[in-house]
Amino acid sequence: SQKIEQNSEALNIQEGKTATLTCNYTNYSPAYLQWYRQDPGRGPVFLLLIRENEKEKRKERLKVTFDTTLKQSLFHITASQPADSATYLCALDMAGGSTLGRLYFGRGTQLTVWP
Amino acid sequence: DTGVSQNPRHKITKRGQNVTFRCDPISEHNRLYWYRQTLGQGPEFLTYFQNEAQLEKSRLLSDRFSAERPKGSFSTLEIQRTEQGDSAMYLCASNEAGAQETQYFGPGTRLLVL
Repeated sequence: SQKIEQNSEALNIQEGKTATLTCNYTNYSPAYLQWYRQDPGRGPVFLLLIRENEKEKRKERLKVTFDTTLKQSLFHITASQPADSATYLCALDMAGGSTLGRLYFGRGTQLTVWP
Repeated sequence: DTGVSQNPRHKITKRGQNVTFRCDPISEHNRLYWYRQTLGQGPEFLTYFQNEAQLEKSRLLSDRFSAERPKGSFSTLEIQRTEQGDSAMYLCASNEAGAQETQYFGPGTRLLVL
């Protein structure tokens, strides 16, 4: 079965620094990988999607890379702010991009940005 | 608010009771998903619908769980004879088949079984 590992349960960084979160997966090769943000007591909110044929994608202060050889995605938040403090979830599809649509999530990394 | 809504937001019940949760997806979305999330874990897939058809169920979905989407709009998730291990956040998500891979999540229903 698919196994998704996110590098650590918690990451603490100082405001203004770059946060780097890691997502590793085994077995299947997903057609795409997504990152979500989740605040306490709330549902996940979509941030970025990267496809297997893309190496990097950016959105404002966010950057995602996808290395299908290493089976790894890196998620970067540059110029981090206390408001970026949340849990970040990595998610991927299981079915090679078919229309099934179900997602498998990692357990998340809790990011805390301190002033 | 045109996002995904879930009711109730919180539910406390005694072991052995039945509970039912409701999810209203974004109106134009034909796919609806249910996930369960326990503390410190990511969401785990339970089941999903395309329109009114339930297309897949996880092995996590025991016989005590049943989900419906009778008119292809809102969905209900019922848990019969609740157990303490059912305590979790139940999340609903929706999207449009063939057009979106991203899923739009509701706020969740937090269930506590005493």
